Amino acid sequence: GQQVMQIPQYQHVQEGEDFTTYCNSSTTLSNIQWYKQRPGGHPVFLIQLVKSGEVKKQKRLTFQFGEAKKNSSLHITATQTTDVGTYFCAGPTINSGGYNKLIFGAGTRLAVHP
Amino acid sequence: DVKVTQSSRYLVKRTGEKVFLECVQDMDHENMFWYRQDPGLGLRLIYFSYDVKMKEKGDIPEGYSVSREKKERFSLILESASTNQTSMYLCASSLNRGSSYEQYFGPGTRLTVT
Repeated sequence: GQQVMQIPQYQHVQEGEDFTTYCNSSTTLSNIQWYKQRPGGHPVFLIQLVKSGEVKKQKRLTFQFGEAKKNSSLHITATQTTDVGTYFCAGPTINSGGYNKLIFGAGTRLAVHP
Repeated sequence: DVKVTQSSRYLVKRTGEKVFLECVQDMDHENMFWYRQDPGLGLRLIYFSYDVKMKEKGDIPEGYSVSREKKERFSLILESASTNQTSMYLCASSLNRGSSYEQYFGPGTRLTVT
């Protein structure tokens, strides 16, 4: 079945360093979503990318959707302690009943040391 | 703001007990989802629903059932709890059909089965 893979599983950075997480799908995606989960919290939607090659920015966060719509990345510039958490990508797929659902990557856990 | 609430933050049950996890959303969303979250495995979909009394199996439905008698409420049932069902359970809702809309998550229920 369709898989969404994320690397790395864990990243430890010093505050001020950059951070990137990568997401790869085994099939072409119609769109990709990114979520952030703070420690002890629940996933919160960050952004959705739809177009091939799309790049979107949210302050220090830059999201990219690959040209083939099979991969995506999230880059954080100059990390801060508030960036700590697990970042998930998620892509849609269709189940056997013909209904859309999201498949989540395993997530990248970011630790930021001051 | 969308609010998704779950009946308990922490729950401890014994093996063989029947367990009910309740989820309520207040934004009139058509779609509701139940996930379990385990370290290194990300979010795995158990069941979802696109309408009242409608349910679809997710990726790991074995050992679980669901009920959606009202639009705002989606219940997850563990018919006979087992220790391998110890996990964090997250409920989510989204607007409309399909995968193009972001999902809003509840705070989660950490279930321990002893």
